[in-house]
Amino acid sequence: AQSVAQPEDQVNVAEGNPLTVKCTYSVSGNPYLFWYVQYPNRGLQFLLKYITGDNLVKGSYGFEAEFNKSQTSFHLKKPSALVSDSALYFCAVRDSEYGNKLVFGAGTILRVKS
Amino acid sequence: GAGVSQSPRYKVAKRGQDVALRCDPISGHVSLFWYQQALGQGPEFLTYFQNEAQLDKSGLPSDRFFAERPEGSVSTLKIQRTQQEDSAVYLCASSPTTGPNSPLHFGNGTRLTVT
Repeated sequence: AQSVAQPEDQVNVAEGNPLTVKCTYSVSGNPYLFWYVQYPNRGLQFLLKYITGDNLVKGSYGFEAEFNKSQTSFHLKKPSALVSDSALYFCAVRDSEYGNKLVFGAGTILRVKS
Repeated sequence: GAGVSQSPRYKVAKRGQDVALRCDPISGHVSLFWYQQALGQGPEFLTYFQNEAQLDKSGLPSDRFFAERPEGSVSTLKIQRTQQEDSAVYLCASSPTTGPNSPLHFGNGTRLTVT
């Protein structure tokens, strides 16, 4: 079955600096990878996905993520962080061998300080 | 625009009571998912519907949990004889297709507190 690891509970970055939120995954088949963001007392909002093709995918709010098959990673990045990016970020994966179940990591809190 | 709507937003139940949580997915969305999110954790999969058919219920933690989607639109998650460990946020999500590359659209959740 599929699984996701987000090794950092929290990432702190200064406004204007680049940010990276790490994610690694495990699947039996081909991975379908997603990033979601959650603000307090709200549901999850879709940011971006990797299905196939170009390893660098671009998403909402200036975020991008890089798929690395050999390292089984899908790290979220942004060139210049904003204070408003502060939130809880979840990486998620679907395994082509296991249908529609989307499995989430434990989440990483991003704090951007001005 | 209309998103996924969940009600009630907050629910407090005494231990042993039954609760019913409602989800109105985006109109026309074929797939519907329920997730349980404990405090400080990621969402955990509970069950999946394709139209009215419940195709995967492997995540339901016990036989006290039951979900239905009788007409392929609105879904209800029912928890019988609630226990304190059931306290969590219950998230509903829908997607327009059954394909694995389709992102999920989430509601704001129902926060269940069992006292």
